[in-house]
Amino acid sequence: QSALTQPASVSGSPGQSITISCTVTSSDVGDFKFVSWYQQHPGKAPKLLIFDVNNRPSGVSDRFSASKSGSTASLTISGLQADDEADYYCCSYTGRTTRVFGGGTKLTVL
Amino acid sequence: EVQLVESGGGLVKPGGSLRLSCATSGFTFSTYTLNWVRQAPGKGLEWVSSISSSGTYMSYAESLKDRFTISRDSAKNSLYLQMNSLRAEDTAVYYCARDRFGDYAFENWGQGTLVTVSS
Repeated sequence: QSALTQPASVSGSPGQSITISCTVTSSDVGDFKFVSWYQQHPGKAPKLLIFDVNNRPSGVSDRFSASKSGSTASLTISGLQADDEADYYCCSYTGRTTRVFGGGTKLTVL
Repeated sequence: EVQLVESGGGLVKPGGSLRLSCATSGFTFSTYTLNWVRQAPGKGLEWVSSISSSGTYMSYAESLKDRFTISRDSAKNSLYLQMNSLRAEDTAVYYCARDRFGDYAFENWGQGTLVTVSS
């Protein structure tokens, strides 16, 4: 059981928006300041989408956005495209030099 | 271009040892924290270990720290993971990942190397 809880799956139609949540369920996570999000297509290495809660690396589409409220971080994908179908993971630095991933969310584009 | 290339995976018997390597290029090696992240077949990502840019500080997932050792060699621009007393549950793809500078996000990833622990 991860200290970060994500829904196992979400789905949406092309053009729609979806949101994936990431909720702290353990005090081991610390102050939840350094949250990042990753996209992983089957058989591929993960790709960084968001760092420091709501910042996009250069080259990542602005259709990906993120936020945090209290103990829940959220990733929103707008204008869903077929290629967005993938697994998505949140991750947090715990403040004690360790990191923890959420269990992952499978996004299905209908 | 930043490149991370893992090697050293393979089939090992329970109780055995394996040393993974990650050859890096395209950045100033001594400036970045490096990490190992693993993924068991059909499962999610699991952070394994991190080592500071200087190699001074290492951290491990609590369940692994007595069996795994992370290290780095600046002369070879390489990261390593020594894995001892391997168990079936250590079967996974092991990824090498570089942090964003001064941050705690995994900015660059290797393609992964598969470790299979089985008799």
